[in-house]
Amino acid sequence: GQNIDQPTEMTATEGAIVQINCTYQTSGFNGLFWYQQHAGEAPTFLSYNVLDGLEEKGRFSSFLSRSKGYSYLLLKELQMKDSASYLCAALSNDYKLSFGAGTTVTVRA
Amino acid sequence: GAVVSQHPSWVICKSGTSVKIECRSLDFQATTMFWYRQFPKQSLMLMATSNEGSKATYEQGVEKDKFLINHASLTLSTLTVTSAHPEDSSFYICSARDLAGDWYEQYFGPGTRLTVT
Repeated sequence: GQNIDQPTEMTATEGAIVQINCTYQTSGFNGLFWYQQHAGEAPTFLSYNVLDGLEEKGRFSSFLSRSKGYSYLLLKELQMKDSASYLCAALSNDYKLSFGAGTTVTVRA
Repeated sequence: GAVVSQHPSWVICKSGTSVKIECRSLDFQATTMFWYRQFPKQSLMLMATSNEGSKATYEQGVEKDKFLINHASLTLSTLTVTSAHPEDSSFYICSARDLAGDWYEQYFGPGTRLTVT
């Protein structure tokens, strides 16, 4: 089975940096996804890591350590529109995604 | 590219009736589609994996006779909630894997909000 843990809520100021941690325990691992989800909408893809290390995409970066079962999503230069839920999801060998409960990020002016 | 649509976007039905939700890949072929359910303030839970031309695979605890899935073509999968009850009220989201795309990526539809009264 899969066990995905991430914090429930985080608050940060506009322009700041926030790091959302995710730990996972899986039986069969094929990579780690991060999605952004606004209330009442479907998740949108942010990043995919399958190898150890940091992947940077503009203001968003994602890190993976397979040996530690750990990933983080780094959001830089926070904007008000970044207020959303951020979902960590592990992909199993049979292509199934297991999602964490999501971290609600609130950006304040 | 890689757009997935769902219809309807929201539906209200009476307890005991059945509701069909469609999931379509608009600009790609999808041999595999996934159906998720999300309750308020909770994460997405995989209900079933739908494969074109074969029976769906249901996750543990999901009643296959209640949630009927049909994947009749490479661009369409349907989820029918039979004899719906208020506890079935939820946000239903489908995703699809592009036959010709990256093997790991799933493209999500916009979701269908079901309310059973």
